Amino acid sequence: AQSVTQLDSQVPVFEEAPVELRCNYSSSVSVYLFWYVQYPNQGLQLLLKYLSGSTLVKGINGFEAEFNKSQTSFHLRKPSVHISDTAEYFCAVTPRGRAAGNKLTFGGGTRVLVKP
Amino acid sequence: DAMVIQNPRYQVTQFGKPVTLSCSQTLNHNVMYWYQQKSSQAPKLLFHYYDKDFNNEADTPDNFQSRRPNTSFCFLDIRSPGLGDAAMYLCATSRDSAGRTEAFFGQGTRLTVV
Repeated sequence: AQSVTQLDSQVPVFEEAPVELRCNYSSSVSVYLFWYVQYPNQGLQLLLKYLSGSTLVKGINGFEAEFNKSQTSFHLRKPSVHISDTAEYFCAVTPRGRAAGNKLTFGGGTRVLVKP
Repeated sequence: DAMVIQNPRYQVTQFGKPVTLSCSQTLNHNVMYWYQQKSSQAPKLLFHYYDKDFNNEADTPDNFQSRRPNTSFCFLDIRSPGLGDAAMYLCATSRDSAGRTEAFFGQGTRLTVV
């Protein structure tokens, strides 16, 4: 079984300031890691994913995340946020392997509020 | 262009009255999923179809059923909605069930039970 913990439920940040959203996971098997963004009353949109290779992953809208296997973390960062980044962000994992099924386990979400 | 389409976006139903939510996809993906997302919570997988094979999560209540008549459409049926079933219901698709395959989400249907 997998579990995902997002350490901050809300993160207020000023426009053009950097932001980091923390994510830790626990799993008895190897996993793939994802970050999704959800704008108000919308579905989820994939920001980025870590499958293998370089531990620094770049995604859409200027976001990046770093996988740290020893700390079982996958923190999301953006060097300079915009008002339009106001949304809820979900970290998620899914087991590796075709037989495991692409079933996402989500963290509780971090609500980012960008202030002018 | 929308690839995973959920209808309606907002649904109000009466306590105990059966309700059906629909999802269609233009991606020709093999797998379709239904997630339940209650207010300020993470999405939780209810079940998924791999082609016509139905896979129920162990803790999904019997009140929730699903149908997939063809590749493009998948329905979520709630037989007797309770107040606790009020939530956003998200449909998603993926090309296959490998963990590395991206899941594409619809915009969701927000269900209110009165």
